[in-house]
Amino acid sequence: QQPVQSPQAVILREGEDAVINCSSSKALYSVHWYRQKHGEAPVFLMILLKGGEQKGHDKISASFNEKKQQSSLYLTASQLSYSGTYFCGTEQYSGAGSYQLTFGKGTKLSVIP
Amino acid sequence: SQTIHQWPATLVQPVGSPLSLECTVEGTSNPNLYWYRQAAGRGLQLLFYSVGIGQISSEVPQNLSASRPQDRQFILSSKKLLLSDSGFYLCAWSDEAGGNTEAFFGQGTRLTVV
Repeated sequence: QQPVQSPQAVILREGEDAVINCSSSKALYSVHWYRQKHGEAPVFLMILLKGGEQKGHDKISASFNEKKQQSSLYLTASQLSYSGTYFCGTEQYSGAGSYQLTFGKGTKLSVIP
Repeated sequence: SQTIHQWPATLVQPVGSPLSLECTVEGTSNPNLYWYRQAAGRGLQLLFYSVGIGQISSEVPQNLSASRPQDRQFILSSKKLLLSDSGFYLCAWSDEAGGNTEAFFGQGTRLTVV
């Protein structure tokens, strides 16, 4: 089941903050966040596993709510290098100990000077 | 260290022609392997995933197929391409233990069907 991301697109000026949301109708095993620059492969940002978990590095952080149905990615004091499309990915158990990774449609973030 | 190779980087094919995209992983064993397609405005669509040799799960009914002839080789194929098959195809792998590990992506193949 594909997670739902919002907003679809956002434009920021350097130094502004943004929040990207990812939600599912069912509890998730985990949530992944990736960033993709145009024409390049997605790059891993972080994984959250536990309800109520928060983690981050530098000025990019994420949270996973207690029910494990929603995650938010926080970008603070945005930099030009933050531009790209952000995807959340969710893992679903597919049997025999394996998990499939399904992505949302992405949020296009544009940071302008 | 682990690496993932995907080729070709770009491909232009006429409608009705066959397709074969190859992906290989080095430095790990029994990885989970994935094929994704990215079309404009549609995000990363999971096409196939595999948890072992010869084990393929299809997520989207289409004219594409996938095979895993070797542990670290994943092939995406089509007998007859459609215009709608155009897009950016990404191969990815994750640890076979499943769950809570990141996915590593190849550099992608940009396919244009004309």
